[in-house]
Amino acid sequence: NAGVTQTPKFRVLKTGQSMTLLCAQDMNHEYMYWYRQDPGMGLRLIHYSVGEGTTAKGEVPDGYNVSRLKKQNFLLGLESAAPSQTSVYFCASSRGQGMSTREQYFGPGTRLTVT
Amino acid sequence: AQTVTQSQPEMSVQEAETVTLSCTYDTSENNYYLFWYKQPPSRQMILVIRQEAYKQQNATENRFSVNFQKAAKSFSLKISDSQLGDTAMYFCAFMKPYSGGGADGLTFGKGTHLIIQP
Repeated sequence: NAGVTQTPKFRVLKTGQSMTLLCAQDMNHEYMYWYRQDPGMGLRLIHYSVGEGTTAKGEVPDGYNVSRLKKQNFLLGLESAAPSQTSVYFCASSRGQGMSTREQYFGPGTRLTVT
Repeated sequence: AQTVTQSQPEMSVQEAETVTLSCTYDTSENNYYLFWYKQPPSRQMILVIRQEAYKQQNATENRFSVNFQKAAKSFSLKISDSQLGDTAMYFCAFMKPYSGGGADGLTFGKGTHLIIQP
């Protein structure tokens, strides 16, 4: 049982390049989330999904797209990377809606640098 | 929109001491969830403790306990008998019950860097 995994762990992009971050969970969780963490800040929600085939915007969605074609995977895409997207990206998942099922399990993070 | 404020950017205590980290939040919701997460240098986010707003009893997990004051919108974390392994960033976070509309997810404070000195 690997929990939540993220691929890749590190990446350096040039401005204007595109890339996709992959999040996978093996806990059969319904809800999945993408956050970014900048220096001196807590995590901020980018996009989330409440089930396979659904996505919704969070607090800071601009410049990102997401897809949830399979329940276990949640992809975060950057179509044209900008230096402002340099950050650490975290994926999280949770089982459901009740309090005991709302606990979010986090992946190890992806450090992305855009030059 | 909810906001979470952690007013102590950094704290330092001696091993075995007790330390309290502060958190206040602003919301118009009556029911919600509050969490404390720990982020060690490994970067992994680890859930420390959670509290449901409608429960008046303060949550406790071993050496970790909270002081939840709903009227004051305050949610502080107390760490007893602090250990070197407690050195980490600590984040307070807020979450609404999922309602089927509006943004979901956690709202985090900016964190408190806790250093436990030997």
